[in-house]
Amino acid sequence: KQEVTQIPAALSVPEGENLVLNCSFTDSAIYNLQWFRQDPGKGLTSLLLIQSSQREQTSGRLNASLDKSSGRSTLYIAASQPGDSATYLCAVQAGGFKTIFGAGTRLFVKA
Amino acid sequence: GAGVSQSPRYKVAKRGRDVALRCDSISGHVTLYWYRQTLGQGSEVLTYSQSDAQRDKSGRPSGRFSAERPERSVSTLKIQRTEQGDSAVYLCASSLTTGSNQPQHFGDGTRLSIL
Repeated sequence: KQEVTQIPAALSVPEGENLVLNCSFTDSAIYNLQWFRQDPGKGLTSLLLIQSSQREQTSGRLNASLDKSSGRSTLYIAASQPGDSATYLCAVQAGGFKTIFGAGTRLFVKA
Repeated sequence: GAGVSQSPRYKVAKRGRDVALRCDSISGHVTLYWYRQTLGQGSEVLTYSQSDAQRDKSGRPSGRFSAERPERSVSTLKIQRTEQGDSAVYLCASSLTTGSNQPQHFGDGTRLSIL
């Protein structure tokens, strides 16, 4: 059974700091892994998607890596800003379109 | 609009009643998902449909949940005989195809409260 774990559950950092969010999964047979951002009362906004055959994806200040063999993914945020404050969720998609989410990391960037 | 739209944004219903939640997905998207998000259990997929299938198989937690797709870009999640444990945010998502490179695009959700 696939389980997705995100560490830390919450994180508070000063503005400008680089940070890493971690996601681990128990079954390496995945289709893809997606990182989302969720603001309070809103849906999920897709940040980066890494296919199972890929190692990393980059978008602006964000970089996500995937190591299937160890069941890990990291989301790196460079030069954090207060506007980055949100909950970050990782989700793995396996066969049959089943998507399993982690519980999320709540990020607060202090101005 | 160009995004996924869900209605209503908030729904209150008495326990035992049936409810229906609507999702308008992005035009042209083939695959459509319904998720339930709660504080205690995070986000879990309820049903999904591919192409023009009008009726999805019920997902978790039981056969009380079903989704219909009367139009390609419209889906209705139906919850029968609602229970207080059904109180949650219900999220709809769609993707262009079933390819592994296709991200899921989410709506803002419907917050359902069962009294």
